[in-house]
Amino acid sequence: RKEVEQDPGPFNVPEGATVAFNCTYSNSASQSFFWYRQDCRKEPKLLMSVYSSGNEDGRFTAQLNRASQYISLLIRDSKLSDSATYLCVARSNDYKLSFGAGTTVTVRA
Amino acid sequence: EAGVTQFPSHSVIEKGQTVTLRCDPISGHDNLYWYRRVMGKEIKFLLHFVKESKQDESGMPNNRFLAERTGGTYSTLKVQPAELEDSGVYFCASSRAVGGTPLHFGNGTRLTVT
Repeated sequence: RKEVEQDPGPFNVPEGATVAFNCTYSNSASQSFFWYRQDCRKEPKLLMSVYSSGNEDGRFTAQLNRASQYISLLIRDSKLSDSATYLCVARSNDYKLSFGAGTTVTVRA
Repeated sequence: EAGVTQFPSHSVIEKGQTVTLRCDPISGHDNLYWYRRVMGKEIKFLLHFVKESKQDESGMPNNRFLAERTGGTYSTLKVQPAELEDSGVYFCASSRAVGGTPLHFGNGTRLTVT
C-alpha cells in the first residue's frame, strides 16, 4: 500500500473557478503534512504546510483530518499560473518525507 | 542565497556503466537528502546526511548505490553498475535543521539507462 495516495486528476478548470482535491496517508504516526507544487520538469517547491486547525495562504486553503488521515487543498479564483502538479507530503517522526504521486491541475483561459 | 545545485542535469548511459551524480546544497545546510522519482511513480526517499554522516540510508535500493558527503559539503551519488530500472529523476534537497521546513530541492538529475 502506498504511504500517500492522491487522485492523479487531471483537474481541468477555467480561470476563476474553485478546484479542490485531497489525499490520504496510511501512517498514523505521521507528524507533519505539506503541499508541494511541481511544475513540469522542475523541482518540487513548498506551497504550504498543513495544520490540524486548517490554514489559508491567499487563495489556497489546506485542511487536515487526523482521524480520517485525510488532507485537502482548495484553490479559489484559479489563475493560469496555478497549472502544476500538486504533491501531498507526509513527514514521519524520523523526518523522512513520503510523497504522493501528485494531482495534476490545468487552468484554462 | 544560491539554491541547491545538481550536476549533471541529464545523463544517458548504457546498462552496466557507472554514473556519478553531484549535489551542492545551500551553504550552511547541514542536512542533505537524496530522493528519486522513477517513471510514473511517486518521489521516494533514498538517504539523509547530517554533515558528513549518514543519518538514514534506509531508502537506498541496493548496494549498487553509494552516496558520500566527504567534508560535509557537497554530496555524490554513484550508481555502479547501472541497471535499466535505475532510470528516473534524482533529486537532492537540503535544510538547515533536521526536518527543517522548507526542504529546498535541486532541479534534479534525469538519468536514463539504456
